[in-house]
Amino acid sequence: GAVVSQHPSWVICKSGTSVKIECRSLDFQATTMFWYRQFPKQSLMLMATSNEGSKATYEQGVEKDKFLINHASLTLSTLTVTSAHPEDSSFYICSARTPRTGAYEQYFGPGTRLTVT
Amino acid sequence: QKEVEQDPGPLSVPEGAIVSLNCTYSNSAFQYFMWYRQYSRKGPELLMYTYSSGNKEDGRFTAQVDKSSKYISLFIRDSQPSDSATYLCAMGGIIGGSEKLVFGKGTKLTVNP
Repeated sequence: GAVVSQHPSWVICKSGTSVKIECRSLDFQATTMFWYRQFPKQSLMLMATSNEGSKATYEQGVEKDKFLINHASLTLSTLTVTSAHPEDSSFYICSARTPRTGAYEQYFGPGTRLTVT
Repeated sequence: QKEVEQDPGPLSVPEGAIVSLNCTYSNSAFQYFMWYRQYSRKGPELLMYTYSSGNKEDGRFTAQVDKSSKYISLFIRDSQPSDSATYLCAMGGIIGGSEKLVFGKGTKLTVNP
């Protein structure tokens, strides 16, 4: 149980284009999903918290107009990187919290590696 | 001082060794403590979840929390080559009015056959 998938697993795009990453909870309903970014040899940094049916809460320093998050259903959240630039190249990971588990027990997807050329 | 400190290693041990991984933290608001394992180019996998001081054991893994010292540890007994991964500690608590999960940088472990 508590399986989270992400699509695509890797993507290469040109500077200035937009990229959408999907995060799905496969065997549970996730009222809350989280989006993280991880640079090489760095820790996971929370970008935003996504609640189903409401606006995402962004962490300080994360541009909400650049990283658009939509949590349209209890099993799907999407992150769109708009007008991507090379500095946005990173490993993007989503996670979800199940209704039955502890407050901070998060289950992570496999990640999406974004390379902007 | 960073909220969560974790030695990035790398740590290299022979198969069968006991591995000790550690993190320190500075914020007393952290009440929940987790260890995640992350293989290269994969998402983190939850290994252990604790919320009180003391030890919690699960198979070859033991998580230890000392809230008074703000220090947590993960012990791996009889380490195997398949344990080779990056281990991330994570702390959860109410910070700034909202629930936060803060990760350490991770310690890269290699278990040599």
